[in-house]
Amino acid sequence: DTGVSQDPRHKITKRGQNVTFRCDPISEHNRLYWYRQTLGQGPEFLTYFQNEAQLEKSRLLSDRFSAERPKGSFSTLEIQRTEQGDSAMYLCASSSTNSAGPYNSPLHFGNGTRLTVT
Amino acid sequence: GQNIDQPTEMTATEGAIVQINCTYQTSGFNGLFWYQQHAGEAPTFLSYNVLDGLEEKGRFSSFLSRSKGYSYLLLKELQMKDSASYLCAVEDSNYQLIWGAGTKLIIKP
Repeated sequence: DTGVSQDPRHKITKRGQNVTFRCDPISEHNRLYWYRQTLGQGPEFLTYFQNEAQLEKSRLLSDRFSAERPKGSFSTLEIQRTEQGDSAMYLCASSSTNSAGPYNSPLHFGNGTRLTVT
Repeated sequence: GQNIDQPTEMTATEGAIVQINCTYQTSGFNGLFWYQQHAGEAPTFLSYNVLDGLEEKGRFSSFLSRSKGYSYLLLKELQMKDSASYLCAVEDSNYQLIWGAGTKLIIKP
């Protein structure tokens, strides 16, 4: 168990550029989540996958954000036409559960990708 | 609306005991989590309560009262490494995980 890994750790981009982040969950975990966190706040839910299916997407998420998990293993989060307000820590988490609810087992978080939009 | 309330910041002394409170108003309840987050790092799982009462795990304990919408995290024998933010999160009846903003705990020697 090598834990959840995210790449890159840091990304600085200019406003208007597209960025893509990658997350590799714990191998036996079937659920994968993307969160966004800003300083002094709790994580903000973005989207959630069970295997390769994207089951939920935050209503707060604009169409500039898209996520994929093509083979039910790693996932990518893309932000198009970045804005300064997108600057945040993007956290990926995974979990393994067979029950209906997505959160009845602990989330294992990666160390995040810190995005700075200039 | 749904809401999780935690104190923004607390200070305690090394070796002492501290209690971090969390109150919640959510659409139903399926469980409450506590996570620890050191600055610049990912949150790590501490505890999970779904039934009323106290769950003890080493120096850390977590208490839940569903009728009062209240939980606390108790940290004993504080160490400098316990300086971190402590996040309370509640799973509601729609399986949404609602997060508090976290309590920043400062430990002084």
